[in-house]
Amino acid sequence: DAKTTQPTSMDCAEGRAANLPCNHSTISGNEYVYWYRQIHSQGPQYIIHGLKNNETNEMASLIITEDRKSSTLILPHATLRDTAVYYCIVRVTWGSNSGYALNFGKGTSLLVTP
Amino acid sequence: DTEVTQTPKHLVMGMTNKKSLKCEQHMGHRAMYWYKQKAKKPPELMFVYSYEKLSINESVPSRFSPECPNSSLLNLHLHALQPEDSALYLCASSQDTSGSYNEQFFGPGTRLTVL
Repeated sequence: DAKTTQPTSMDCAEGRAANLPCNHSTISGNEYVYWYRQIHSQGPQYIIHGLKNNETNEMASLIITEDRKSSTLILPHATLRDTAVYYCIVRVTWGSNSGYALNFGKGTSLLVTP
Repeated sequence: DTEVTQTPKHLVMGMTNKKSLKCEQHMGHRAMYWYKQKAKKPPELMFVYSYEKLSINESVPSRFSPECPNSSLLNLHLHALQPEDSALYLCASSQDTSGSYNEQFFGPGTRLTVL
């Protein structure tokens, strides 16, 4: 299974870009990188995912390095509501026909300050 | 409707009680999941149902018994739990478990306390 490494915590000033790094140096060629976040006392929320190319949606941008060993989640204009734990996940396959499931790592606790 | 609902929100039970957690989605998803989350820890996968059949059981003790009566409902039956089973139990659903796109939608969770 590919493992991910993230900083334990980060701070970001409101209105600035939050750049959250993730290392996944053992990722294999067909494994996707997913990002979820979990606001306190809520269920995790999907943010974005990618394979090779950079991706952007209404919530964030995902930059994946050319060798795919690391990625960065970018929240372009962080707000106080973005304070949460952010999980970088490399999707894991269980068994031959069991499909895919998410294997959450420890995540990064992002604090957005006024 | 992109919501996964879970009931109850909070549950306190004794070690000899039998209780059930319920999860419901109306997005037409064919995969449903149970996760367990201890305080200040990431969610841990417990069970995966795909097309109403159990496809993954992550070595969960038998005091936890999942059930998927139809494609919209997922239950977790609890019996003879231990205090260390106290946690947030999260339900999630996705279109299925295969393919390149597999966004999981999570419910708010049930906060379980075992006395």
